[in-house]
Amino acid sequence: QVTLRESGPALVKPTQTLTVTCTFSGFSLTVSGMCVTWIRQPPGKALEWLARIEWDDDKFYNTSLKTRLTISKDTSKNQVVLTMTNMDPVDTATYYCARGCKAGHYWGQGTLVTVSS
Amino acid sequence: EIVLTQSPGTLSLSPGERATLSCRTSQSVSSNYLAWYQQKPGQAPRLLIYGASSRATGIPDRFSGSGSGTDFTLTISRLEPEDFAVYYCQQYDNSLLTFGPGTKVDIK
Repeated sequence: QVTLRESGPALVKPTQTLTVTCTFSGFSLTVSGMCVTWIRQPPGKALEWLARIEWDDDKFYNTSLKTRLTISKDTSKNQVVLTMTNMDPVDTATYYCARGCKAGHYWGQGTLVTVSS
Repeated sequence: EIVLTQSPGTLSLSPGERATLSCRTSQSVSSNYLAWYQQKPGQAPRLLIYGASSRATGIPDRFSGSGSGTDFTLTISRLEPEDFAVYYCQQYDNSLLTFGPGTKVDIK
């Protein structure tokens, strides 16, 4: 059974760095063809793809946010970590991780991150 | 970057009716790389269709996807009460993903 769970702070201050962690089970990110993707969704708005990490450690980022994002994996812990620097109130959103390279076949329940002073 | 446009923004229908949702891309997309998701309030999105027309695991056959090039369609043959939700299309191109703005299907 594939499961993913996001964790991170519920509240961050403007200019701070956000770190969210995706802990997964039921698959291994060492297997060829496996990927984990981060997507976010501001309240009442559409989904926005953020980043993806692949089994071979290739990393891909949203063009508009590339300078602020870093994705990494710890295969021994079955975790993928996303950091986003210089947080702003417009970054308030639910942050999801999903398994899949070209589409999200399995999703976590998401974690709401609010950016406010 | 490929931009996705979904229409209509809102679709008001009754249970039992047929729903036809449109997704247009600003450039031609390989059919292998077009997906559709359903999202209900307070829930994560659920993959319905990938590869433009392949149903994901456990998805009822009343959901079907079609299209190619820049025009794609999600059809729900007969709406069930649990189908009223927001639907997003998503494409994968040149290693990057983008989502459409969504279509809300609500009860008439």
